[in-house]
Parts: sequence; structure tokens; C-alpha cells
Amino acid sequence: DIQMTQSPSSVSASVGDRVTITCRASRDISRWLAWYQQKPGKAPKLLIHAASSLQSGVPSRFSGSGSGTDFTLTISGLQPEDFATYYCQQGNSFPYTFGQGTKVEI
Amino acid sequence: EVHLVESGGGLGQPGGSLRLSCAASGFTFSASAMNWVRQAPGKGLEWVSAVSDSGGSTYYEDSVKGRFTISRDNAKKTLSLQMNSLRGDDTAVYYCVSRGPDRELDNWGQGTLVTVSS
Repeated sequence: DIQMTQSPSSVSASVGDRVTITCRASRDISRWLAWYQQKPGKAPKLLIHAASSLQSGVPSRFSGSGSGTDFTLTISGLQPEDFATYYCQQGNSFPYTFGQGTKVEI
Repeated sequence: EVHLVESGGGLGQPGGSLRLSCAASGFTFSASAMNWVRQAPGKGLEWVSAVSDSGGSTYYEDSVKGRFTISRDNAKKTLSLQMNSLRGDDTAVYYCVSRGPDRELDNWGQGTLVTVSS
């Protein structure tokens, strides 16, 4: 199985900050990488697919990059509604696997 | 607008069975691979199972292989998860999720809570 390792596990930030979350795959997954945002008590929401493609309706302050084994989610200009937990997920092969999550908090 | 509505969650006995269902609308269900993803209380996301658009191929996470069965009815636009031999570590919110063209999990239901306890 492909292991997905996210870092950091949590980050303290302020409104307006730039936040970067990294995700490393245990082997090459090309660009089969997605990012999700989850708020407490809610279902996850897709932000980024194919490593860098912004999902329709997602604000442009979210961006993704990377290929192979190393990927990054960047939030440029953190907004109050962005405080949440973020997960990466690989779709290269079954079983699909998620990173352990990164909590973005004040 | 895409809607995925899960049902069938609740309290299950260890060693017992539950059947989850998901009603889909707002997209071409028969053209979409479908998944179940779960989240134990206070924990992260865990992919559980997937089924191809036709239903001809199925995939499972190792811990549920041989105990859970995923299926779909394209005519009724429903996805199901038959859960047998339930264990305490199956306790989680179970989400019905569609898969997009880049293998992303693009649309999520609201989830249904399964609690396994005697």
C-alpha cells in the first residue's frame, strides 16, 4: 500500500497568513493526488485534483503543486473560513490512502 | 446539483450485520465509479471500498475484505455496503463518495454513523 505522510500535523496561523502543507507519498504516484478540506461535523470538500487543478467553486487562494512523491497545498491569504483540517489522498492505486491530516488553527 | 444521501447506519452488535445505502441524484450515476470512505470518531479519513461504474469491479481495504460487500443498482441509482462480522473498530461515520475523472473523490454525502457495541 502507498503511505501518505503529511506535515505538519497542525499549524497555528493568523488571518492573512500564507500556509503551506506538504504531502509525501511512499512511492511515485505521478499526479494522482487530491486535497480536501474538512470542518468539524461536516463531510470533506474537494479542493484540488490532479495535484494542481482547482475544483470548480474553490477560491483561487488555494493552490497545489508537485508530482511523483512530493506535493504541496498552499493557502495564500488565510481567511477565517479556512480554519479546518486538510487531507491529501492518492488515487494512483487501490487501496486509496489519505494523509493523517493537518489542522490549521488560530 | 449532486446529492448523495446515506442511510442504514445505527447500532450494530459485534459479529452482527448492517447494510448501508446511498441514494444518488443530480449526476449520471451509471457513469461514475463510487466509493465508501469512513472516519472513526476523532480520527482521520479511511477509504473502505470502491465499485466501478458498471459494478463489474470491486475493491476493498484489507481490514474489511471478506466481511464487507459493495454493490450498486444503476437503474435505481443506489449504492450499498453490506457489512458483516462487525467489529468495534468498524465504528465510524461512513460517507458515500463519487469519483471524478482524475480519481479524486469529488462529491460526498453527509455521512451515516455506524456504532458497533454490545
